[in-house]
Amino acid sequence: DVKVTQSSRYLVKRTGEKVFLECVQDMDHENMFWYRQDPGLGLRLIYFSYDVKMKEKGDIPEGYSVSREKKERFSLILESASTNQTSMYLCASSNPRVFHGYTFGSGTRLTVV
Amino acid sequence: AQSVSQHNHHVILSEAASLELGCNYSYGGTVNLFWYVQYPGQHLQLLLKYFSGDPLVKGIKGFEAEFIKSKFSFNLRKPSVQWSDTAEYFCAVPGRRALTFGSGTRLQVQP
Repeated sequence: DVKVTQSSRYLVKRTGEKVFLECVQDMDHENMFWYRQDPGLGLRLIYFSYDVKMKEKGDIPEGYSVSREKKERFSLILESASTNQTSMYLCASSNPRVFHGYTFGSGTRLTVV
Repeated sequence: AQSVSQHNHHVILSEAASLELGCNYSYGGTVNLFWYVQYPGQHLQLLLKYFSGDPLVKGIKGFEAEFIKSKFSFNLRKPSVQWSDTAEYFCAVPGRRALTFGSGTRLQVQP
């Protein structure tokens, strides 16, 4: 089975801190995604990457950046955390050549205080 | 680009009741449709998907969904729910860049 692993299940950070959320997948997928999940809003796409060092903005990229230096790892960076970034962050990956949907990680619940 | 809407935000059912969760999508050419489920404390997992062919799609755990092109719908159904079906359910379609998800339906099944 494809595994998508997010390094932290829960994080508490202070306003203004730089925050790194890490995601690793083990099935050589080209595509990786970061979503945030908020009650009543579903999942909203922050950034995605379709290859190493390639990235594209999603629907809500403001306040975030990403890094993909290796194929298996996709990092989400909050440059200066704010309380409105308190959310559940979900990483996903997919194979664009044999597309069966996305495989998700367990999520990181981030609280910014 | 396609978009998707789920009109049922919170559904409460008793065990053995039948379930139908609504999902409507906007037209966008080739239609691929997904239902994902998120059990409490667990990751999102694929319940079923439709790419082409038989519009009645069967998924895991007794769930099924029917693609009705004329109604732009892909409703999720289960004849008899169990307490273990308590979860949040998301409908999704390919958007311009990535899968676009609905706002989700929280299903609570009471014993």
